[in-house]
Amino acid sequence: AQSVTQPDIHITVSEGASLELRCNYSYGATPYLFWYVQSPGQGLQLLLKYFSGDTLVQGIKGFEAEFKRSQSSFNLRKPSVHWSDAAEYFCAVVSKEETSYDKVIFGPGTSLSVIP
Amino acid sequence: GAGVSQTPSNKVTEKGKYVELRCDPISGHTALYWYRQSLGQGPEFLIYFQGTGAADDSGLPNDRFFAVRPEGSVSTLKIQRTERGDSAMYLCASSLDPNNEQFFGPGTRLTVL
Repeated sequence: AQSVTQPDIHITVSEGASLELRCNYSYGATPYLFWYVQSPGQGLQLLLKYFSGDTLVQGIKGFEAEFKRSQSSFNLRKPSVHWSDAAEYFCAVVSKEETSYDKVIFGPGTSLSVIP
Repeated sequence: GAGVSQTPSNKVTEKGKYVELRCDPISGHTALYWYRQSLGQGPEFLIYFQGTGAADDSGLPNDRFFAVRPEGSVSTLKIQRTERGDSAMYLCASSLDPNNEQFFGPGTRLTVL
């Protein structure tokens, strides 16, 4: 079965510093990969997604992620973090082959704190 | 347009009571999903509806949990004889069709005392 791991439970960065959140997945075929952000009291918001093609994908709010098949990774990056980026970040994978619908499997999340 | 809405936003109940959580999907979305998110964890799939029917309920933890979507729009997640372990955030999502982006509601935080 597919699974998603996010090795970092919590990360703290200074405002203006660069950010990289790690995500590893376990899946045999080419996965459909997502990053979501969840702010307190808010629902999940899709930051970006990878289905195929260019392995570097751009998302909203200045985020990008790179799919590396050899490492089974889909790390999220941002060159300069803003205080408003403090939130919980979830990596997720969808199997297009095991179900007839998009069954989303989420990682455990990484909590991001931003210090002034 | 309006996004996915969920009511109530917070629900506190006592152990053994019955609760209903409501989800209003985006108009026109045929697919609807329920997830449960425990503290410090990612959301876990509970059930998927295509139209009025539950196409996959494999994520429901036991027979105390049940969900309906009688007219193919609003859905209600029902939990009988609540237990303290049911305390979690319950998220609803909808999508235009089963293979499209899922849009999430703000969730209902359930606390069982």
